[in-house]
Amino acid sequence: AQKVTQAQTEISVVEKEDVTLDCVYETRDTTYYLFWYKQPPSGELVFLIRRNSFDEQNEISGRYSWNFQKSTSSFNFTITASQVVDSAVYFCALIRTQGGSEKLVFGKGTKLTVNP
Amino acid sequence: ETGVTQTPRHLVMGMTNKKSLKCEQHLGHNAMYWYKQSAKKPLELMFVYNFKEQTENNSVPSRFSPECPNSSHLFLHLHTLQPEDSALYLCASSQGERFYEQYFGPGTRLTVT
Repeated sequence: AQKVTQAQTEISVVEKEDVTLDCVYETRDTTYYLFWYKQPPSGELVFLIRRNSFDEQNEISGRYSWNFQKSTSSFNFTITASQVVDSAVYFCALIRTQGGSEKLVFGKGTKLTVNP
Repeated sequence: ETGVTQTPRHLVMGMTNKKSLKCEQHLGHNAMYWYKQSAKKPLELMFVYNFKEQTENNSVPSRFSPECPNSSHLFLHLHTLQPEDSALYLCASSQGERFYEQYFGPGTRLTVT
């Protein structure tokens, strides 16, 4: 079975602090994709990143960075120098890419509040 | 209009009412999805349409009835709902059934009284 666990339900930080959102996944597939989405108060999910299971390179995009470690089945997301606009619910997700029907499996999300 | 739009944004309905949610995508995609987002639960995929054909029904109760008249429009017809159906219903689209490139709409916040 596939499962995505975001153990942190809510995180609150002060602006300019760094914050890491944890994501642990379970899958028996050798090929899969991992994602992070942001859901601001407006409601729509915004795609942040996709990572192929064969690509373990960490990625940095501005203040965002992602640490993918297959050995621990984790795909953590770090926001550096957080800003109030980063306040949102962040979802980690997993999709299988081989055999059967493909589904996007989401974690329960982590609500991040960045206070001024 | 750009992206994925959903109407209405908010809906309150009684258990005996019939209502419909509408989703429209302006991205030229040919796959569309309905998701349900309940409080403190992961997003749940409900239906998938690819080239107007339903390719997935994720064990959704029959009181939810999807309709996809063309690749740009997706409806979710609601009837005889239960209070536990109150949730945010999100529509998404993608080019083909490529889940990793889904674009989401803002959702319809549904409250069943």
